Amino acid sequence: DGGITQSPKYLFRKEGQNVTLSCEQNLNHDAMYWYRQDPGQGLRLIYYSQIVNDFQKGDIAEGYSVSREKKESFPLTVTSAQKNPTAFYLCASSIRTGGLKETQYFGPGTRLLVL
Amino acid sequence: RKEVEQDPGPFNVPEGATVAFNCTYSNSASQSFFWYRQDCRKEPKLLMSVYSSGNEDGRFTAQLNRASQYISLLIRDSKLSDSATYLCVVNDFNKFYFGSGTKLNVKP
Repeated sequence: DGGITQSPKYLFRKEGQNVTLSCEQNLNHDAMYWYRQDPGQGLRLIYYSQIVNDFQKGDIAEGYSVSREKKESFPLTVTSAQKNPTAFYLCASSIRTGGLKETQYFGPGTRLLVL
Repeated sequence: RKEVEQDPGPFNVPEGATVAFNCTYSNSASQSFFWYRQDCRKEPKLLMSVYSSGNEDGRFTAQLNRASQYISLLIRDSKLSDSATYLCVVNDFNKFYFGSGTKLNVKP
């Protein structure tokens, strides 16, 4: 089946620890995105990538880092600099950016909790 | 000002009712528009794209008003299974902007 997978479903982080969230897609989509969702709020863009080996900061990139070494994969690292990381993290992909009728498809998400 | 604004609700309606949500957007140059549905603790799923001429998919109808910069979603004959949060999404070329969602509760 084609789709987007995220792992793990739940992740616990200790103070001062870096953690990495996985996102893989087999839809052959060029663009991938990471969002953060806090309770009762909309999605906020952390980083996005339009092509392999290229990515741009979103609205709330501080304390996060990404890489895009393969088209299928776009891992997100939550660093110790992110002081309030508890949230629901969603990865998405789309065929390309800038298309008029382009749509995003989401993975099932990872819930990150701080111990 | 937020790029996309929605009434958070909740909208509490009985089964069989018709309910409508509106969403306003700030960038008049926005290119494309969508409604997503998000169930509690789940990922958003695409419900429908919104075109200038309006579009219908079964009990769901979406409309775009560029002059007033809003989009709407109409749900007819509400089902219990329609209970969810509905997210309005606007695509400005390289970025998608999400509203905070409107919560719908359909009661028996």
